[in-house]
Amino acid sequence: GENVEQHPSTLSVQEGDSAVIKCTYSDSASNYFPWYKQELGKRPQLIIDIRSNVGEKKDQRIAVTLNKTAKHFSLHITETQPEDSAVYFCAAPGMDSSYKLIFGSGTRLLVRP
Amino acid sequence: DVKVTQSSRYLVKRTGEKVFLECVQDMDHENMFWYRQDPGLGLRLIYFSYDVKMKEKGDIPEGYSVSREKKERFSLILESASTNQTSMYLCASSLDRAMNTEAFFGQGTRLTVV
Repeated sequence: GENVEQHPSTLSVQEGDSAVIKCTYSDSASNYFPWYKQELGKRPQLIIDIRSNVGEKKDQRIAVTLNKTAKHFSLHITETQPEDSAVYFCAAPGMDSSYKLIFGSGTRLLVRP
Repeated sequence: DVKVTQSSRYLVKRTGEKVFLECVQDMDHENMFWYRQDPGLGLRLIYFSYDVKMKEKGDIPEGYSVSREKKERFSLILESASTNQTSMYLCASSLDRAMNTEAFFGQGTRLTVV
């Protein structure tokens, strides 16, 4: 079946360090890979996404890389700040229906001041 | 600014009750989704709809049904609530079924079944 695996489940870093979260997907035809951030008590919101025709995309301190051969994609946060503390979810399209999103299990990131 | 609104933030229902969770979006989006969020399990798709009166099962449809009579409204129905349906429920919408686009989430409904 379709699956999006996300690691690690929790991540604690010192302020200023980098954080990396990785996801793998099962459907080689997937072509859209978004990342969502959910702050405590709030709704998930899109922070960055990448389509399969590029290998990397950056937006200030965050970047996403995609390796289609290995079927994995990663979120990179540099110069972390306490406000980056949140739960992060990756997602990929479903195998039998490209307009539904299958989410990973989430990574709780804690940035220690 | 896209707005996805869920009818309740918190609900407490008794086992066996029929429960309706309502979601409305104001941006004429074609796709609407219902997810369930549980600790350590992420966001699991219950049902989604890509058009009025159209629906498809997600990964965990058992015990749930949905209704989409109007484009802007997507309802999740628990026919007979059970304690294992205690969870956070999130509605989402996205623009277009032809290509993947950003999903906008509602604020969530925390349902407790006692």
